[in-house]
Amino acid sequence: KQEVTQIPAALSVPEGENLVLNCSFTDSAIYNLQWFRQDPGKGLTSLLLIQSSQREQTSGRLNASLDKSSGRSTLYIAASQPGDSATYLCAVGGSNYKLTFGKGTLLTVNP
Amino acid sequence: DTEVTQTPKHLVMGMTNKKSLKCEQHMGHRAMYWYKQKAKKPPELMFVYSYEKLSINESVPSRFSPECPNSSLLNLHLHALQPEDSALYLCASSHYRTVTSTDTQYFGPGTRLTVL
Repeated sequence: KQEVTQIPAALSVPEGENLVLNCSFTDSAIYNLQWFRQDPGKGLTSLLLIQSSQREQTSGRLNASLDKSSGRSTLYIAASQPGDSATYLCAVGGSNYKLTFGKGTLLTVNP
Repeated sequence: DTEVTQTPKHLVMGMTNKKSLKCEQHMGHRAMYWYKQKAKKPPELMFVYSYEKLSINESVPSRFSPECPNSSLLNLHLHALQPEDSALYLCASSHYRTVTSTDTQYFGPGTRLTVL
């Protein structure tokens, strides 16, 4: 059974800092890995999807990497802003379209 | 347009009521999903539809009954729910995986359900 762990559970940083969120998974037989953002009481916003054959994806200030063999992914956020404050969820996609989520990292960026 | 819409936004129902949640997308996606999310927990998959057919049921109690009437619509019929079923119900959709498409899942804003 796939298990996804996210570290840290919560992170508070001053505005402008670069930061890294970590995600690890137990079964390397994945199809893809997706990073989401969730604001309180809202739905999920897809940030980046990395196919299992890819090593990284970039979108604006976000960069996600994937090391399938070691079961790890990182989400790098450059020059953080208060508007980046949210919960960030990592989800691993299996061959049956099922996403297994980590518990998330609650990010607070202080002005 | 990468929007998934869900109605209603909020729903309060008694344990004897029958209600339905609705989800709609117009992105041409042929895979649609229902998730349940409790407070401060990650989403948990309930059902997956592919090409309007139920392909995954994650052992969900029969008081939740999904329906996919066409490629754009997904319903979740609710009957005889329990207070512990109170949660945020999220709908998502994606392309059916092919060589030329990704299966990024796009989520709706959710329906906040309270069962009294």
